[in-house]
Amino acid sequence: DTEVTQTPKHLVMGMTNKKSLKCEQHMGHRAMYWYKQKAKKPPELMFVYSYEKLSINESVPSRFSPECPNSSLLNLHLHALQPEDSALYLCASSQAEGRLGAFFGQGTRLTVV
Amino acid sequence: AQSVTQLGSHVSVSEGALVLLRCNYSSSVPPYLFWYVQYPNQGLQLLLKYTSAATLVKGINGFEAEFKKSETSFHLTKPSAHMSDAAEYFCAVRTLYSSASKIIFGSGTRLSIRP
Repeated sequence: DTEVTQTPKHLVMGMTNKKSLKCEQHMGHRAMYWYKQKAKKPPELMFVYSYEKLSINESVPSRFSPECPNSSLLNLHLHALQPEDSALYLCASSQAEGRLGAFFGQGTRLTVV
Repeated sequence: AQSVTQLGSHVSVSEGALVLLRCNYSSSVPPYLFWYVQYPNQGLQLLLKYTSAATLVKGINGFEAEFKKSETSFHLTKPSAHMSDAAEYFCAVRTLYSSASKIIFGSGTRLSIRP
């Protein structure tokens, strides 16, 4: 099983809403990532969890709050987003040191209205 | 800091022609390098990876890449393009930050295939 599953696939939310993005993998990977991708741009790293601990936060605004409940799950909690936060949010996982690359989910297309 | 640079934001080739997508890396240590493909409205799929075991790396869908230390390059090639190869291609490098892994992407190259 080399699959990373993200839900939902699409999400439309208002600027005052609270929502969560979910990601799951069953490959035994101990590193999990959130990326943000705008149209016609490369993915930009947001957060890295290593062994369920937040290891890297790329200066992401606090309206994005990650959570790693266990080694298979990764959540991204969203609150008070801005229209410019509309993007494709990608989850990925890899072995802890990332030497073999990361496996990506299909992404959640987020629209903030 | 390690990084990758992709030369050419858009490459167009005829069906059946050679595909060459360019990637150069910057690293003071032996790098771990990757090529990913992204089809419209989808996630990224790992095409191939360089982990220092062999300089010529074969991947999926007939793609391969050669690691050239003297040129700090890791270009992606395919002998004969197919219409289904039309997509966005990203070169990427793994870096370490406080023992945590970061995978950083180049700016991407859009590959178009002419009939």
